[in-house]
Amino acid sequence: DSGVTQTPKHLITATGQRVTLRCSPRSGDLSVYWYQQSLDQGLQFLIQYYNGEERAKGNILERFSAQQFPDLHSELNLSSLELGDSALYFCASSVAREQFFGPGTRLTVL
Amino acid sequence: QQPVQSPQAVILREGEDAVINCSSSKALYSVHWYRQKHGEAPVFLMILLKGGEQKGHEKISASFNEKKQQSSLYLTASQLSYSGTYFCGTDSGGSNYKLTFGKGTLLTVNP
Repeated sequence: DSGVTQTPKHLITATGQRVTLRCSPRSGDLSVYWYQQSLDQGLQFLIQYYNGEERAKGNILERFSAQQFPDLHSELNLSSLELGDSALYFCASSVAREQFFGPGTRLTVL
Repeated sequence: QQPVQSPQAVILREGEDAVINCSSSKALYSVHWYRQKHGEAPVFLMILLKGGEQKGHEKISASFNEKKQQSSLYLTASQLSYSGTYFCGTDSGGSNYKLTFGKGTLLTVNP
């Protein structure tokens, strides 16, 4: 158990819908990272927040957005969902360079 | 740019050794190694920082050659629990620590 929590564990929704994934970092970690893992693309970095501010952006679609709240938990919002958005979404947290991953949210778009 | 891992897959018998390589075309500050079992989260194994260090974790160790932008993960006397997909993640330095991951190496250890 890494100490990072994510909810929900599974999410099944339809195309065109919007969902919110939630992540609570390890106690004391200020950085939160979001990654998407799919069979064809592998593990892809989406976005990083540090103490409430966006620090780095990867290949994140415009339909996706994220934020980090004052209590340091983070949410990833996915809208206008497409079939291709089906994937495992992980968040990770860190205090330095080592990143520890949460259990992930498996998103299925039907 | 995504680092390249080799081999893509390896099958071992318990007790055998394996080496997994990770190579980048970009200058690296650090290399991170993770193991992931199917459907689970990647588990952090170790980080190697610029400086060419070698690190060990029980029977798993790794090296980092910053001049060649290469890292290798060494698994000795493999156990069934070592089975999984191994990923290297690379970080080119700077104030953000985002990782770029390789495609992974699937390691299967059979009795």
